[in-house]
Amino acid sequence: QKEVEQNSGPLSVPEGAIASLNCTYSDRGSQSFFWYRQYSGKSPELIMFIYSNGDKEDGRFTAQLNKASQYVSLLIRDSQPSDSATYLCAVNNAGNMLTFGGGTRLMVKP
Amino acid sequence: GAVVSQHPSWVICKSGTSVKIECRSLDFQATTMFWYRQFPKQSLMLMATSNEGSKATYEQGVEKDKFLINHASLTLSTLTVTSAHPEDSSFYICSADASGRAHEQYFGPGTRLTVT
Repeated sequence: QKEVEQNSGPLSVPEGAIASLNCTYSDRGSQSFFWYRQYSGKSPELIMFIYSNGDKEDGRFTAQLNKASQYVSLLIRDSQPSDSATYLCAVNNAGNMLTFGGGTRLMVKP
Repeated sequence: GAVVSQHPSWVICKSGTSVKIECRSLDFQATTMFWYRQFPKQSLMLMATSNEGSKATYEQGVEKDKFLINHASLTLSTLTVTSAHPEDSSFYICSADASGRAHEQYFGPGTRLTVT
């Protein structure tokens, strides 16, 4: 069974700090990796995706992928209270299907 | 940008009745649409993959006779929850695939179903 694991949290960080969210996956054949943000009662919205080992930066967000360790992370710099949400890691194994992790709840305190 | 709508956004129904949820891609054609279910404080679980003009592919443990999926056009898929029970109460989310690539899968706003 293909699994995507995340610490459920909550992860609490002060405003302005770096939030680090982690995700591991079981299928070595996974092709691409996604981070979604989900506010309570809303559907997920895509923040970033990454295909290759290394870092990918977009504004305050950096995704990091290490395929050898089957590990993907999301760093949020200068965290804001509006970043408080659940962050879902998703993995694409085959075709265009996504397998989601359980999500990490992030709380950014003013 | 690609927009996916769902209707209704929330619905309350009585146990034993059926509820239909619509998922529409508004500005693109979607060969494939996905239906997810999300219980409180849990992640999205894929229920089925819906392909235009063919039968849906259901994930293990999802009853295809209970959750009827119809993908009659490239812009519309429907999920009908038949003989709904309180345990079917959940947040149902669809997504539409714009290109066959996972990063171009766009999510609808979700439908909150409450069965009394």
